[in-house]
Parts: sequence; C-alpha cells; structure tokens
Amino acid sequence: EIVLTQSPGTLSLSPGERATLSCRASQSVSSNYLAWYQQKPGQAPRLLIYGASTRATGIPDRFSGSGSGTDFTLTITRLEPEDFAVYFCQQYGRSTPLIFGGGTKVEIK
Amino acid sequence: EVHLLESGGGLAQPGGSLRLSCAASRFTFSDYAMSWVRQAPGKGLEWVSAVGGGGDGPDYADSVKGRFSISRDNSKNTLYLQMNSLRAEDTAIYYCVKDHFPRNGVFDAFDIWGQGTMVTVSS
Repeated sequence: EIVLTQSPGTLSLSPGERATLSCRASQSVSSNYLAWYQQKPGQAPRLLIYGASTRATGIPDRFSGSGSGTDFTLTITRLEPEDFAVYFCQQYGRSTPLIFGGGTKVEIK
Repeated sequence: EVHLLESGGGLAQPGGSLRLSCAASRFTFSDYAMSWVRQAPGKGLEWVSAVGGGGDGPDYADSVKGRFSISRDNSKNTLYLQMNSLRAEDTAIYYCVKDHFPRNGVFDAFDIWGQGTMVTVSS
C-alpha cells in the first residue's frame, strides 16, 4: 500500500508569493495517477489537478502540478487571498485503497 | 450543474447501524464509479469504499471491511453506504464523490463532491 507524505505540514506565506507543496510517495505512482485537492474550512474538497499535471475545469492557471514516479509538486505562482486553504494529494488508479496524503495548510503569514 | 446530495447521517450508538444515501443529478450516473470518502473532525481525508458504474468491484478500506457495504441503484441515481457495527472512530463527515472519467477497471480522481453528511458514533 502506497503512503503519501506531504510537506511541509504548514506553509506561511503572504499574498502574491509563490507556494510550493510536495507530495512524496513510498512507491511509484502508476501512470501518474496523482491528484491534488483544495479544501477550505467548512467546505468539501475541490479537484485542482489530475494526472499529476492537468488542471481540472475552471482551475486558474496560477495552479500547476508537476512530477512523476514518487515525487510530485503543486505550485501556486502568486497566492491570492482565496488560495489560503488545505491541500491534499491523492493516488488513484487500478488498485485500492485510494490513498490521500496528510495535507498541507497554506496560511497567511 | 452536476450535483450530489448526501443524507442519512446522524447519531448512532457504538455497535449500531446507519445507512447513508447519495442522490446524484445531471450526469449519466451509471457511467461512473462512485466512492465514499470520510473526514474525521479536524483530520485529513480517508477513502472508505468504491463501486463501479455497473455495481461491479465494490472495494473497501481495511478499516471498514466487513462492517460497511456500498451499493447503488442506477434506476434511482442513488449511491448507498450501509454502515454496521459502528465504532467511535467512524465519527466523521462522509462525502459522496464521483469519478472524473468513466473508465472501466480504473478508479479515477474525484471531480464532484457532495456537501457531506455527519456521522457521530457515541453512547
């Protein structure tokens, strides 16, 4: 079973700064079946990125995903006030369980 | 707009049962695998169970295997989660989620989430 480790646990940044979030898998993620979600307080998560690097419908281009194998990154180029939230990575594909990382909280510095 | 609406959450005693429902609308329900994902208070996300579009291949997290059962009624566009032998650690918001793409044999990223229904297990 894959383990996804997200780092850092908390990222303290100012609006306009660049955020770089890491998701490391304990074994290779097949076919780059890696997704990123954003969750704001009191809301359900929202799909941002799938296939490691493809933005979901309606997601601004300041969000980008990269990586392959075991190392993946979510980058937010210029943080907007609405981007301060918790971000989760997830492995999906043919095998279960479908695993989520523990999350990274992006907070206002 | 594609929509998922969960119901059936509430307070249950340890050892008790609850049945969650998820009503889907505005997409061809039978084409998509569906899952339940839960989130304990203040914690991260945990995938619970998934079922293929035709009801095939139900699968479960080890933490709920043998206690929970997922099913769907494609004629009613509804997903279910029967939860038996509930434990305190099952306390969470339960989200109904839709696979992004209609693929056979592959569980996909989750593009649509319901608003969630809270399950509390306590005596």
